[in-house]
Amino acid sequence: GQNIDQPTEMTATEGAIVQINCTYQTSGFNGLFWYQQHAGEAPTFLSYNVLDGLEEKGRFSSFLSRSKGYSYLLLKELQMKDSASYLCAVMDSNYQLIWGAGTKLIIKP
Amino acid sequence: IAGITQAPTSQILAAGRRMTLRCTQDMRHNAMYWYRQDLGLGLRLIHYSNTAGTTGKGEVPDGYSVSRANTDDFPLTLASAVPSQTSVYFCASKEEGGDGADTQYFGPGTRLTVL
Repeated sequence: GQNIDQPTEMTATEGAIVQINCTYQTSGFNGLFWYQQHAGEAPTFLSYNVLDGLEEKGRFSSFLSRSKGYSYLLLKELQMKDSASYLCAVMDSNYQLIWGAGTKLIIKP
Repeated sequence: IAGITQAPTSQILAAGRRMTLRCTQDMRHNAMYWYRQDLGLGLRLIHYSNTAGTTGKGEVPDGYSVSRANTDDFPLTLASAVPSQTSVYFCASKEEGGDGADTQYFGPGTRLTVL
């Protein structure tokens, strides 16, 4: 079967760094996406990795290891507005997205 | 207005009633999707359409139907609503058709409660 695992909830302090992990087992792989979702709102795109390595975009970076079925999202210089759920999704061999349940990130002052 | 719109924003529905959730995009995207999001679960695909005139079943299609008469619109119909269909429904689209690893963009969602 297909499976995406990520922690249910994490807590971090404003100004700090947090790493949200995602492991996956899917039928085929055409890339891994990270989305941010604030409570009551739609998911919005953050990053896409299809090759191994680190992709940096401002305060957010995403890493992929295809051989380990592993990715992480790194958030630096945390701000209160970063409090949200972070969704990991893998595009399978049919180009459909398989979604993790999301990690709720709580930022404390 | 650029993007995806959904209607209604929220709805309370009696079990057994028929309901159509509307989704319209103005980005001329080929592919469109309907997901449901339930607490503690990932987004689950209900139905999809890779291009106008075609549709396909996702992970949880039972009790739902879709049509794609044109590029812009992708309505989702619940023929006879049941309480287990209480959920938040998101419509999404992406520029390329089926074989494209590009980004999906989401509408604001419809919160549906079936009593």
